Amino acid sequence: AQSVTQLDSHVSVSEGTPVLLRCNYSSSYSPSLFWYVQHPNKGLQLLLKYTSAATLVKGINGFEAEFKKSETSFHLTKPSAHMSDAAEYFCVVSAPFGVDSNYQLIWGAGTKLIIKP
Amino acid sequence: EAGVAQSPRYKIIEKRQSVAFWCNPISGHATLYWYQQILGQGPKLLIQFQNNGVVDDSQLPKDRFSAERLKGVDSTLKIQPAKLEDSAVYLCASGGRNFPYEQYFGPGTRLTVT
Repeated sequence: AQSVTQLDSHVSVSEGTPVLLRCNYSSSYSPSLFWYVQHPNKGLQLLLKYTSAATLVKGINGFEAEFKKSETSFHLTKPSAHMSDAAEYFCVVSAPFGVDSNYQLIWGAGTKLIIKP
Repeated sequence: EAGVAQSPRYKIIEKRQSVAFWCNPISGHATLYWYQQILGQGPKLLIQFQNNGVVDDSQLPKDRFSAERLKGVDSTLKIQPAKLEDSAVYLCASGGRNFPYEQYFGPGTRLTVT
């Protein structure tokens, strides 16, 4: 069965310093992995996706994530935090469901990123 | 490309009243999802449609929630009668049928039940 664990419920960094949001996954096969971001009172936006084409995935707003199969991790990073990065971040794995090639998303619990001025 | 549209954006109702939400997915997306997101939590899948057929509704409280997707495009989610614990954001998402199966979300409807 597929599952996702986000290791930190809250991460606080100062503006201009690096960001690291940690995610571990469990999957019985080669997974599709995603990071979604949700700003306060906004909908969910796809930040980046891993599709096995490259282990280092670049997303929007300067974020990137590295897929490490040996560590079953998909951590999200950004070199320099900006105030506008303050949001909730979800690590997600796509999992097959039922028959007929249907898929669902398995969600991590989320990490709230706090940016200090 | 137009995104997922939802309406209304906000709704306040009293308990035991009924409410309906509407969703228009991204053009060409066969799969449509309704999620419930309670404040401080991740999204919880309520129902998944493939075209106009239900793939999974195992977490839909069927005694009060119903959903339909006529003609395989727009969808409505209804709650009747509403309870206080239904206060949440209701998110609609759509996705294609090709790898890696990502989903694209609408802005959501914030429901407050008083």
